[in-house]
Amino acid sequence: DVKVTQSSRYLVKRTGEKVFLECVQDMDHENMFWYRQDPGLGLRLIYFSYDVKMKEKGDIPEGYSVSREKKERFSLILESASTNQTSMYLCASSSGTLDQPQHFGDGTRLSIL
Amino acid sequence: AQTVTQSQPEMSVQEAETVTLSCTYDTSESDYYLFWYKQPPSRQMILVIRQEAYKQQNATENRFSVNFQKAAKSFSLKISDSQLGDAAMYFCAYLPNTDKLIFGTGTRLQVFP
Repeated sequence: DVKVTQSSRYLVKRTGEKVFLECVQDMDHENMFWYRQDPGLGLRLIYFSYDVKMKEKGDIPEGYSVSREKKERFSLILESASTNQTSMYLCASSSGTLDQPQHFGDGTRLSIL
Repeated sequence: AQTVTQSQPEMSVQEAETVTLSCTYDTSESDYYLFWYKQPPSRQMILVIRQEAYKQQNATENRFSVNFQKAAKSFSLKISDSQLGDAAMYFCAYLPNTDKLIFGTGTRLQVFP
């Protein structure tokens, strides 16, 4: 089975801090994604990556950056956390063609105080 | 803009009964994919069912089936013989040729014994 592991299930940080959310997948998937999930808004794509060192902006990239130095790891970075970034963050991965199902991690519930 | 609409924020069903979750989408494309994902409480999001737009036959996975109406841009999910384990948040998602999966806002399904 595909395993997508997010480093933290719950995280509390302070306004202005630099926050790193880590995601690792064990199936050699080319594609990796970061979403945020908010009630009434569904999932919104922040960034995605087709390959190592490649990244593409999603629908809401402002305030975020990403890093993909290794194929299995995709990191989401909040450069200077703000309270409006309090949310559930979901990482996902999929194989080469984008019509293939995405496999999700457990999510990280991030609170910015 | 391409959008996915789930007009039912919450639904409920009695165990062993059938329930239908609605989803409509807006697109000008002819080739695309549609998905239903399930997110159980505090658990990973998983794929329920996938439909290719060029296939007229409705996809089926055990107790889960879809009613795909391409002209009406409708993609509803039918759950037959509902079980307590079906209780979850269900997300409809649309994958256009632009390669970014677009999610609806979700429908929370409660199953009563």
